[in-house]
Amino acid sequence: GQSLEQPSEVTAVEGAIVQINCTYQTSGFYGLSWYQQHDGGAPTFLSYNALDGLEETGRFSSFLSRSDSYGYLLLQELQMKDSASYFCAPLQHDKLIFGTGTRLQVFP
Amino acid sequence: DSGVTQTPKHLITATGQRVTLRCSPRSGDLSVYWYQQSLDQGLQFLIQYYNGEERAKGNILERFSAQQFPDLHSELNLSSLELGDSALYFCASSPQGDEQYFGPGTRLTVT
Repeated sequence: GQSLEQPSEVTAVEGAIVQINCTYQTSGFYGLSWYQQHDGGAPTFLSYNALDGLEETGRFSSFLSRSDSYGYLLLQELQMKDSASYFCAPLQHDKLIFGTGTRLQVFP
Repeated sequence: DSGVTQTPKHLITATGQRVTLRCSPRSGDLSVYWYQQSLDQGLQFLIQYYNGEERAKGNILERFSAQQFPDLHSELNLSSLELGDSALYFCASSPQGDEQYFGPGTRLTVT
């Protein structure tokens, strides 16, 4: 079967650190992508992990453990503009599987 | 700006009607993907084309169809529309599947 789990909502304050976890089960797994979507906007690519370990891109980092079918997105030094939905998306062959995402609300 | 364009931005139509959504991928991208996003729902993958050929199919209804033309633009056709088809429809393009670039979407309202 195929499944994807991430928390529906996370809240934090400006300047804090937040971790959004993702567990997945999918056949033909190639890697794990993360996308950000602001209300009314289009999803935008944040990161992709093909191999186990941590990938860092500025304030955002993404981690993958293939053996645990688990990944997370770490957002540091949170800013108000980081309030958005975040989707983990396993890459199955060359098709991304999206779930319902995690809504992050950043408060001042 | 992702480089992916979609038209129209908004579409309002009645139940039973048929509409066509258009997508132009980023220059050089051979893959085009279509997604549906309903209120409070995630992105549902509908279909993928690669260089004119259907590559993968997701939860696409039989009333929906798509194609990719020789110039690589793609169209998504939705027919016998129902109220439940009201949603945001996104097109994305990609040189390979891991990093997809999404267009601004077409908001379809079926009344």
